Amino acid sequence: TQLLEQSPQFLSIQEGENLTVYCNSSSVFSSLQWYRQEPGEGPVLLVTVVTGGEVKKLKRLTFQFGDARKDSSLHITAAQPGDTGLYLCAGANSGGSNYKLTFGKGTLLTVNP
Amino acid sequence: SAVISQKPSRDICQRGTSLTIQCQVDSQVTMMFWYRQQPGQSLTLIATANQGSEATYESGFVIDKFPISRPNLTFSTLTVSNMSPEDSSIYLCSAAGGGGGEQFFGPGTRLTVL
Repeated sequence: TQLLEQSPQFLSIQEGENLTVYCNSSSVFSSLQWYRQEPGEGPVLLVTVVTGGEVKKLKRLTFQFGDARKDSSLHITAAQPGDTGLYLCAGANSGGSNYKLTFGKGTLLTVNP
Repeated sequence: SAVISQKPSRDICQRGTSLTIQCQVDSQVTMMFWYRQQPGQSLTLIATANQGSEATYESGFVIDKFPISRPNLTFSTLTVSNMSPEDSSIYLCSAAGGGGGEQFFGPGTRLTVL
């Protein structure tokens, strides 16, 4: 059974601060996704990282996939109240027809104005 | 990406009754999934909805309790049967079809069982 350890579980910061969320596993994933979920809505896909060592940027969000494709991080620069939400990492092994995702436990981020 | 809708968005039900949740995708997709989520927590996969055949259930979930239909490549239903308060949760459907393993989620159905 593949596991994704996500940390921290809770994070409450002030507007303008930086933060990093980590996802770690002992398993190799073919890709890793990051989702953000707001109350009353479903998770929304932010990014998919596929190549070991890959770095992707989405405005103030920077996503990195570890060289061995076992871990990933999400860094937010100058957090805004609009960044508040539940952040989820999910690993995929989409070899063949297997599209199942392994989810981390999530990071509940609150950015205070 | 796919746009996914779910009905109902929320419901309050009495114990012992059943509720069927519908999931509609705006395009044909290879895979559809059903998840359960407690507010503020991660997702637990209930089952993979297979088109034209029986769903594939995860450990701890059984067909008698969570029957699933998938009559075509754009639609699926999940029934929560003989409900108890422990079934109160958010139920989400998702769809996947690309090679990257990406899934796209519906807005969820918030179920409260009294």
